[in-house]
Amino acid sequence: GEDVEQSLFLSVREGDSSVINCTYTDSSSTYLYWYKQEPGAGLQLLTYIFSNMDMKQDQRLTVLLNKKDKHLSLRIADTQTGDSAIYFCADGGGGNKLTFGTGTQLKVEL
Amino acid sequence: GAVVSQHPSRVICKSGTSVKIECRSLDFQATTMFWYRQFPKKSLMLMATSNEGSKATYEQGVEKDKFLINHASLTLSTLTVTSAHPEDSSFYICSARNQETQYFGPGTRLLVL
Repeated sequence: GEDVEQSLFLSVREGDSSVINCTYTDSSSTYLYWYKQEPGAGLQLLTYIFSNMDMKQDQRLTVLLNKKDKHLSLRIADTQTGDSAIYFCADGGGGNKLTFGTGTQLKVEL
Repeated sequence: GAVVSQHPSRVICKSGTSVKIECRSLDFQATTMFWYRQFPKKSLMLMATSNEGSKATYEQGVEKDKFLINHASLTLSTLTVTSAHPEDSSFYICSARNQETQYFGPGTRLLVL
């Protein structure tokens, strides 16, 4: 079946950029998503990218997609303490289902 | 973005009782909703796909008689955990599909004593 992998932890200083990486295996992916989860809460859709795009920018967020290598990244510019959360990438392959990565815990230090 | 609500947000019940969780899409119609379960510090596990007006599609290993899903309208899906046991304690999250995107509810924390 499909597999989505992420590193488990990332620690950055406030004001620096954060880059969260994700790899996936499903070559039929149509859309790829980034969600944010704060403690005890549901998932908040941050952004998504269509599979025929290489890059998408939305304010402080930049998504890069390397379809050949099946690699997705999320860059958060000027990271703030409010960005501390778990970030999930998700692969929207064939059909309705999403396959989620393991989640990356982002810790922003002062 | 689209809004999805869940009710209740937290529930504590005794072992052997049943608990119903509601998932509503507030500003769009959703023919497809999804139910996930999340264990502490883990990713989301898809339990089932809820289709309006038809039977839910369950993932492998999920007991359909234990986790009853009803999607009676285009804005409401319910998950009933029947004869709950302590091992059913978890965080249950629903999502509703709107075009190419799934929007998630805030989750329901279930604790079975």
